[in-house]
Amino acid sequence: ETGVTQSPTHLIKTRGQQVTLRCSSQSGHNTVSWYQQALGQGPQFIFQYYREEENGRGNFPPRFSGLQFPNYSSELNVNALELDDSALYLCASSLLHRYGYTFGSGTRLTVV
Amino acid sequence: QKEVEQNSGPLSVPEGAIASLNCTYSDRGSQSFFWYRQYSGKSPELIMFIYSNGDKEDGRFTAQLNKASQYVSLLIRDSQPSDSATYLCAVRDFGNEKLTFGTGTRLTIIP
Repeated sequence: ETGVTQSPTHLIKTRGQQVTLRCSSQSGHNTVSWYQQALGQGPQFIFQYYREEENGRGNFPPRFSGLQFPNYSSELNVNALELDDSALYLCASSLLHRYGYTFGSGTRLTVV
Repeated sequence: QKEVEQNSGPLSVPEGAIASLNCTYSDRGSQSFFWYRQYSGKSPELIMFIYSNGDKEDGRFTAQLNKASQYVSLLIRDSQPSDSATYLCAVRDFGNEKLTFGTGTRLTIIP
């Protein structure tokens, strides 16, 4: 059974640029959620995808967008990067309405 | 705005002692409660979840839930240096996949 994999592990971008982060969910999991974790904070919910549709969204602006593919993998896109977007971005997969998330190892994004 | 509150610590506990971590939540509609462990620079790892009042034990870990008082706690018995990490409390509403996290408590086990 494979776990949740994320790529890339680290990324440095310039303010105003766009970035795409990728996630492959754990085998058998049909739901993918994305979280942003700033330094010293708990993860903050960005959005969730189930069966390729957005299934809930947190308090993030529209420049944060996502996709889920038929194989349940997912992308997080962030446009017009701001310095405050610097954070650890976590992908988590689960079976909808079943307990327990499995988090990937995360992507550390630095915006300069 | 749903809130999950944790003491940020650091909490220092001697090796072999019991570490007690606490979490309170504001939304009475919260149904499920999770404890994650996060080592520095790593992603959160699920330790336990609980959804019924009372205690739930798994090895050295015990989760305790009191819905009337809106708190959940995690006890770690026979603390080991490898338990040194940040412990995140998270809550979820029924039928909602979103987890709301606290800021975490940093635990240090002193050899």
